[in-house]
Amino acid sequence: DTEVTQTPKHLVMGMTNKKSLKCEQHMGHRAMYWYKQKAKKPPELMFVYSYEKLSINESVPSRFSPECPNSSLLNLHLHALQPEDSALYLCASSQDRVQETQYFGPGTRLLVL
Amino acid sequence: AQSVAQPEDQVNVAEGNPLTVKCTYSVSGNPYLFWYVQYPNRGLQFLLKYITGDNLVKGSYGFEAEFNKSQTSFHLKKPSALVSDSALYFCAVNGGNSGYALNFGKGTSLLVTP
Repeated sequence: DTEVTQTPKHLVMGMTNKKSLKCEQHMGHRAMYWYKQKAKKPPELMFVYSYEKLSINESVPSRFSPECPNSSLLNLHLHALQPEDSALYLCASSQDRVQETQYFGPGTRLLVL
Repeated sequence: AQSVAQPEDQVNVAEGNPLTVKCTYSVSGNPYLFWYVQYPNRGLQFLLKYITGDNLVKGSYGFEAEFNKSQTSFHLKKPSALVSDSALYFCAVNGGNSGYALNFGKGTSLLVTP
């Protein structure tokens, strides 16, 4: 089983709202990732967690706040977003070695009004 | 940093014909190269990867890729295209000073016509 699940599938929020995206995997992977993807563009890495610790933050604005409560779950808390933050947010997971395959979830399509 | 380039924005091929989607890489050290496919409004699906060993890598759905060190290429191929192969294809690389981060090419849109 190589499934990564993400909820919700779609999200519409105002610039003053607080919302959270959720990602879950049960493959025993110890590395988890958040990527942001604009339409027709490649995904861009936002955060990497390794063994539930944040290991990479690609200079992401503080209005995005990641959280890894346990080895199977990854959250992305959103607050005071801007319209330009509208995008597809993809979660991925892999074994904790660089050459391991990252498996992606279906994504959450976010629209900020 | 590790990087890949996909020179074609779009590739058009007739159903039943062979297809090639091009990717070249620029890395320090040994590359870890990946191909992913993305259907509309979906996440990325893993097709295949090259870590080491045989230069011809076989993957999902009949796709394969050839690692060519002298030409620094990792082109994706399929002997006989299907209309259902129409999608956005991404080449990616990680490792070296990029660490875990997958650095993607810009993507190539494949259109297979009946």
